[in-house]
Formats: sequence, C-alpha cells, structure tokens
Amino acid sequence: SQQGEEDPQALSIQEGENATMNCSYKTSINNLQWYRQNSGRGLVHLILIRSNEREKHSGRLRVTLDTSKKSSSLLITASRAADTASYFCATTPNAGGTSYGKLTFGQGTILTVHP
Amino acid sequence: DAGVIQSPRHEVTEMGQEVTLRCKPISGHNSLFWYRQTMMRGLELLIYFNNNVPIDDSGMPEDRFSAKMPNASFSTLKIQPSEPRDSAVYFCASSPRLGAPQETQYFGPGTRLLVL
Repeated sequence: SQQGEEDPQALSIQEGENATMNCSYKTSINNLQWYRQNSGRGLVHLILIRSNEREKHSGRLRVTLDTSKKSSSLLITASRAADTASYFCATTPNAGGTSYGKLTFGQGTILTVHP
Repeated sequence: DAGVIQSPRHEVTEMGQEVTLRCKPISGHNSLFWYRQTMMRGLELLIYFNNNVPIDDSGMPEDRFSAKMPNASFSTLKIQPSEPRDSAVYFCASSPRLGAPQETQYFGPGTRLLVL
C-alpha cells in the first residue's frame, strides 16, 4: 500500500499563483522526497528533506516537514504553465532490513497551471 | 550522462506472450529499481537490486514476473506469460547508493506495455 497520501488529488490554478500540495505518511521516516512527472515521462527528483529538517528551499520550491504530524507540504511560488505536471511525495522508512533505501510513493497531485 | 535508458519504449503484445523489458542504469550507480505505474494502483515498487543482488522482491505480483541484473550496467524484467492486467508503464530507476543520505532516484522514460 502507498505510504504517502497527497492532497489534493488535483489542483488547478492560474499562472502566477502559488500552488500548495500536501503529503501525509504513516510510519517513521528517514527522509521525504518530492518528485515531478510530466505526462508520459519518468519521474524527476525535485527536493529531499531529512527527518531532522523542518523546511527547505530550492528556487521557487519550498518544502516543509512536520514529523509530529507525519506530514509534508510542497509550495510552488509564482507558478508557470510549465509547472503543469503530477507531483509525488516519496518516503524512505527509518528502518533496516529490506526496507533500507526503499522509496514508497504516494498517489500524486495533478497540478494544472493555466496561462 | 545519458541517464537511465529503457527499451523498448512501447510494447504491444498478445496475451500469453513473453515480454522482456530492459534497463541500463546510470554508470556508477549501485542500486536499481523496477516500478509499475497504473491509474488504479499508482506507482508500485516491484523489485530492487543493490550491487546486482536482489534485495526486496516483495512487490513482484506473481511468479510470472522475474527480474535479473547480470551486471552493473544491465537489468531485465520479464513477464511470462503476459496477461492484459499487466498493461502498465514500467519504470526503471537507479540510485548512487542504497541508503545514502542523498537517496535520489533517477528514473528512465519508462516502457509502455499493452497486452491485448
């Protein structure tokens, strides 16, 4: 089953607006990553935040992590039509054995940015 | 770097036929992952390798699926016999090191499989 659950499932905004996507997970994690997938293509890594970090920035992206609530958010500021894609959170469990290094993806948020 | 290379990009086959998907990871990456993506089930991890050794194949749906990594630069995912419900996009991804602090995975473009 999917560890991460994104919210909302779909988001439609106008160019220039900010887009916020949320992710919740169930078990203790080592880190959380966000990936982007353009239609018909593979996933591309956007940003990684470790379990001991609370906030991270990369260009127009801002990620927050609240381990007490087991949730993360991805904010895209000043969105562009080219940001239209699906966005996935993925978690690495804080466990050993065969879970080590294993990513579990959420169902994703479909973001549409209208020009 | 060419990135992760997958072949074929598209495959259409008939039920009962054997299907072989191929992946070449990024040179120097020690971990390789096979995923399946469908509308109904999302992105599922099927199996992953570290240093060419299968670590976790609990995601492989049934015995019809098998994966090998004979060397550091090549892996195959085989479905025999194929069924219509196997229709999906299959992704291969590689990572520099398993469990490293930077556990970024680099995805290939995927193979879109249609089983008629």
